[in-house]
Amino acid sequence: QSVLTQPPSVSGAPGQRVTISCTGSSSNIGAGYGVHWYRQLPGTAPKLLIYGYSNRPSGVPDRFSGSKSGTSASLAITGLQAEDEADYFCQSYDNSLSGSVFGGGTKLTVL
Amino acid sequence: QVQLQESGPGLVKPSETLSLTCTVSGYSISSGYFWAWIRQPPGKGLEWIGTISHSGTTYYNPSVKSRVTISLDTSKNHFSLKMNSVTAADTAVYFCARMVDWIMGEFDLWGQGTLATVSS
Repeated sequence: QSVLTQPPSVSGAPGQRVTISCTGSSSNIGAGYGVHWYRQLPGTAPKLLIYGYSNRPSGVPDRFSGSKSGTSASLAITGLQAEDEADYFCQSYDNSLSGSVFGGGTKLTVL
Repeated sequence: QVQLQESGPGLVKPSETLSLTCTVSGYSISSGYFWAWIRQPPGKGLEWIGTISHSGTTYYNPSVKSRVTISLDTSKNHFSLKMNSVTAADTAVYFCARMVDWIMGEFDLWGQGTLATVSS
């Protein structure tokens, strides 16, 4: 049972927009700690996609965006492409655990 | 550019100690940032194990704190993970990563990961 809750799977057709939610609580996202998103292709290490709610590292296309509202955060992907098929994880800090926490991950399928 | 590379035995017997090293190239680990270990059991999600600052302050996940030690070796520019009393539940791909800030920060660079299997 992960501290941050994500849907196990989402799907969309090429060109469509999908969102992945990350639900936390007052001890993590709701407390104002940064929320970060990672993409993991099969057999590879996670790669940073969004940091600090909505910032993109150099090289990440603007098709990827992040937002936060209350105790939840969301990752949006527009113009869905076949290569976006991967697992996506959110991460934050939790002050009751005094450490980093991850969501359980969401598998994105491009139909 | 900065790169991280995990190394260590791929097979560990139950009740023994798992020892992994993360060698950092392109940046001196004593200069700044935080350095972390994260694991992923086969087919499952990510679990933060612990973090060490560039000055040696450590932070551990309460779920493994009693069994884990993370240390820095600045002479070799690497940091290490030792986990004792391992069981099959500790079988996972272990990643090392760089953390930008302890509380607000993200893991901005990752090693490729190394599979550690606990089995007799």
